[in-house]
This record gives sequence, C-alpha cells and structure tokens, in this order.
Amino acid sequence: AQKVTQAQTEISVVEKEDVTLDCVYETRDTTYYLFWYKQPPSGELVFLIRRNSFDEQNEISGRYSWNFQKSTSSFNFTITASQVVDSAVYFCALSEAEEYGNKLVFGAGTILRVKS
Amino acid sequence: DTGVSQNPRHKITKRGQNVTFRCDPISEHNRLYWYRQTLGQGPEFLTYFQNEAQLEKSRLLSDRFSAERPKGSFSTLEIQRTEQGDSAMYLCASSPGDYQTQETQYFGPGTRLLVL
Repeated sequence: AQKVTQAQTEISVVEKEDVTLDCVYETRDTTYYLFWYKQPPSGELVFLIRRNSFDEQNEISGRYSWNFQKSTSSFNFTITASQVVDSAVYFCALSEAEEYGNKLVFGAGTILRVKS
Repeated sequence: DTGVSQNPRHKITKRGQNVTFRCDPISEHNRLYWYRQTLGQGPEFLTYFQNEAQLEKSRLLSDRFSAERPKGSFSTLEIQRTEQGDSAMYLCASSPGDYQTQETQYFGPGTRLLVL
C-alpha cells in the first residue's frame, strides 16, 4: 500500500531563513513517482516538481531544491532564503506506475509560515 | 493557455439536497481526476476518467456520488442527499493521457462545499 508521511504539521520561519520540509513515503513498487505541490491560501494546488524512482539526482530550481534518497524513502524539499510569498501548505505526493491512470496519494501537508 | 476551471467555486446547501459540480480540464487533456480535501488533510482520490470512460473509483465514492464525463471533455460530480460529512473542497485535475510517460496532474481551484 502507498503512504506518504509529512511529519511536520506546521513550520514558522523568519524571512531569509532556509527551511526544509520532510517527506517520507512507502511503496512496494520499484517504479514510482514523487511530487511536490504548493497550496496557497487561494486553494489551488500548484505543481512544483516530479521525480521518478530511477532518478536520484538532486534538483535545484532557483531558491527551491529537492533531495531524493531511496535508501531512506525520503524526498525532502528545501527553500533557501525564504520569502513571505512562500507561505502556503506544501504537499508531497506519490504515484505508482499503473497501466491506466496515475492517482496521487498525498501526505497531510506542512503549513509553512514565513514572517517578515 | 487556459488551466483547469471549476464551477461553482463555493456552494452552501442544506442537508439532504443534491449538488452538482463542474470541471473543465485543460484543452486536449484526456485524463481527468476528482479528489476531495477535508480541512487539515491532503487531497484524497475519488475517481478517474480516460476520455469518457470512468476507469477507477475509490471506495470513498459512496453510492450517493456519481461522476460523468459524457463527451470526454468536461466532467460533473453529483452528490445526492448531501450529508454534513460531505463538506469539503472538491478538486479536479487533468493530465494529457500519454500512456508512455508518467504525467503531471494540473489542478483546478476547487469547489468548496458546505453542508448545513
């Protein structure tokens, strides 16, 4: 069975601090996909990144970086020099490779509050 | 490029009434998903369409829920005899429908339902 755990319910930081959001997943499949989405107060889920299980390279996109470690089943997300606009709920999600469709299993989310 | 749209954005209804939500996916996206998100939780998968065919339904989708995608374009989600426990955000997502690759799902703004 698939499961995603985001142990941090809420994190508060001061602007310009770095912050890491943790994500641990469980799956029996060898082929799977991991995602991060951002949900600002408006409610719409915004796609941030997709990573497949065969690609363990870390990725950096501007102030965002992701660390994927299969050995620990983790896919952590770091925001460098946080800004107030980063305040949102962040969700990690898992999808197993299926012939039809790729439903997402989400974690409970981490609320990030960035204070000025 | 127009994103996923959902209508209405908010719906307040009395217990026992029927409600219907609409989702318009990104143009030419063949796959369409419905999720439900309750307060403080991540979205949970409800059902999935490949064109007009409903290929998977979660056990969360009780017999009071029905979804259609009659022409493989927009989709409707109907809840009959609403209960207070149906109060949630209903999210729609779409993806291209390419069998060769895992796809990213793009989400709409959601319909927030409150059952009084």
